[in-house]
Amino acid sequence: RKEVEQDPGPFNVPEGATVAFNCTYSNSASQSFFWYRQDCRKEPKLLMSVYSSGNEDGRFTAQLNRASQYISLLIRDSKLSDSATYLCVVTFGTGGFKTIFGAGTRLFVKA
Amino acid sequence: DGGITQSPKYLFRKEGQNVTLSCEQNLNHDAMYWYRQDPGQGLRLIYYSQIVNDFQKGDIAEGYSVSREKKESFPLTVTSAQKNPTAFYLCASKVAGAGLDNEQFFGPGTRLTVL
Repeated sequence: RKEVEQDPGPFNVPEGATVAFNCTYSNSASQSFFWYRQDCRKEPKLLMSVYSSGNEDGRFTAQLNRASQYISLLIRDSKLSDSATYLCVVTFGTGGFKTIFGAGTRLFVKA
Repeated sequence: DGGITQSPKYLFRKEGQNVTLSCEQNLNHDAMYWYRQDPGQGLRLIYYSQIVNDFQKGDIAEGYSVSREKKESFPLTVTSAQKNPTAFYLCASKVAGAGLDNEQFFGPGTRLTVL
């Protein structure tokens, strides 16, 4: 089993749709959780951290379920500019130095 | 401006040659990382360093070497022993600690092509 697993997609959705990405992790001692966005041929950039109580940033909502070792990202009212690959990231170990990236989920938003 | 720089952006190498990729950060971050990304794939960890003069192998360290003589610099050498080096190489850094504000910051990457 991979340490961090994501549905690779691709997800093809029309503008204005709501789309949800899921991510599971295997290390119960994982400490911090993030969602990154990566555009084609670019470096990954932080989209949002994932708080235990869940958090929202505009059209984006992240949820964490430690008991099920599951993270989610919800995008509402999708825009063409949301087309990208979304990476689930988990850190663990002393000092949080160990970081595992999921393989990413590709999203295509169509007009 | 604070950030991470990688050079060169594109690099071409002949088979059998060693090549060194540069990564510099002025964010005063403790940890630095090197990842490899192949087309349509996720990031795979090559090496990471938590502190100056110390580094650990990642999942795919064979055929690569690193050094961490200065806090701000973490160069990666792709040796001739790496059998399939053509890929997108990403350098990242972060502060120590496991908090939710301690995310990794990435450089723009180097695309290495072996001819």
